Amino acid sequence: QVQLVESGGGVVQPGRSLRLSCAASGFTFRTYAMHWVRQAPGKGLEWVAVISFDGDNKYYADAVEGRFTISRDNANNTLYLQMNSLRPEDTAMYFCTRDIILTGYWEYWGQGTQVTVSS
Amino acid sequence: SYELTQPLSVSVAQGQTATITCGGNNIGSKSVHWYRQRPGQAPVLVIYRDNNRPSGIPERFSGSNSGTTATLTISRAQAADEADYYCQVWDSSAVFGGGTKLTVL
Repeated sequence: QVQLVESGGGVVQPGRSLRLSCAASGFTFRTYAMHWVRQAPGKGLEWVAVISFDGDNKYYADAVEGRFTISRDNANNTLYLQMNSLRPEDTAMYFCTRDIILTGYWEYWGQGTQVTVSS
Repeated sequence: SYELTQPLSVSVAQGQTATITCGGNNIGSKSVHWYRQRPGQAPVLVIYRDNNRPSGIPERFSGSNSGTTATLTISRAQAADEADYYCQVWDSSAVFGGGTKLTVL
């Protein structure tokens, strides 16, 4: 069955960096686009970034453009989110999701990894 | 930027029909997806492309989309349907509605 398992979250000071990972299994990872979606405590869902199946195309929300980088390792079925220059407003649960295309819908989600940006 | 408007909360008596709306400029021209999120859990897709149910989602869940409003309808509401519901579309980026808390009385 499809499984997405995020890791790498934690508490980090403002301005520092963190890298999230999402280990995928149960499907042919290299044929699917992948997204990161986040949810601040007590708030709604917010899309963060998407990467095409081959890694050639990447798009970001305005709030993270220039600070976050999405990438993938198709040989090891893993999605990444490199987060630099972190801000308190980046505090959220971060979910990875699978998509058939870059702009589709998300049938499979991980359980999320918590990122807290605080001094 | 494109915005989606949902009611903050909707209440429904058990066994009755709940309707959750999602308003947006000419939303009828877009594909709307709906997610259910129970407390402490990841979101679950309940409707995709306006009115399609993923496998495992009961027939009680249905969707429609026309003009400036998309609607999620939950028939014969059950206690297990209590959750936050989010609509989502693509514009220049993915856009979510603010979410609606469904309470089953």
